[in-house]
Amino acid sequence: NAGVTQTPKFRILKIGQSMTLQCTQDMNHNYMYWYRQDPGMGLKLIYYSVGAGITDKGEVPNGYNVSRSTTEDFPLRLELAAPSQTSVYFCASSYPGGGNQPQHFGDGTRLSIL
Amino acid sequence: DAKTTQPPSMDCAEGRAANLPCNHSTISGNEYVYWYRQIHSQGPQYIIHGLKNNETNEMASLIITEDRKSSTLILPHATLRDTAVYYCIVRASSNNNAGNMLTFGGGTRLMVKP
Repeated sequence: NAGVTQTPKFRILKIGQSMTLQCTQDMNHNYMYWYRQDPGMGLKLIYYSVGAGITDKGEVPNGYNVSRSTTEDFPLRLELAAPSQTSVYFCASSYPGGGNQPQHFGDGTRLSIL
Repeated sequence: DAKTTQPPSMDCAEGRAANLPCNHSTISGNEYVYWYRQIHSQGPQYIIHGLKNNETNEMASLIITEDRKSSTLILPHATLRDTAVYYCIVRASSNNNAGNMLTFGGGTRLMVKP
């Protein structure tokens, strides 16, 4: 199994541009998550989803949007890129069960806003 | 979620056991202890988790003290590929609470040396 796959791996954007970070998983996990990791820091939750059609805000949702039309896919959209959004973005997924279910991560998208 | 304290760095000789400590003195009764690692430029990788009892899987062993205020991750035969930052995280077991995000602290940078 591929697990959690993120595309692209790297991207440079200009201020004000928009883009969509793609995330897909083949483990039939109901729960999916988007985190960002700034240099030398831990991960912060942006958005999460408990199933197709259901999404909710995490700790740092401003400037981002998500959708969940299928179990497999959970894209993250940046509408107006800002330098503060320069970060590494990780997508994760898990089975239901909250704290007793480990989250499995993709390898990340490294995004620079110039 | 309870906070954790880990040493910032450790060295280990290749082939020897790596014992990574974690203090979580304010852990609640319903909080699990999780261990993840992050190898350079990759996404966090789940290693193991436990509630009260010691746990073992193909990657590592987790030893939790009886009062649950500290734990130790053991990599029985460390290899060079185990060089990574190791994160100890405590997370409540609220079932189906997907918004219960993983909070990554500073972690321990483990260097496995030949």
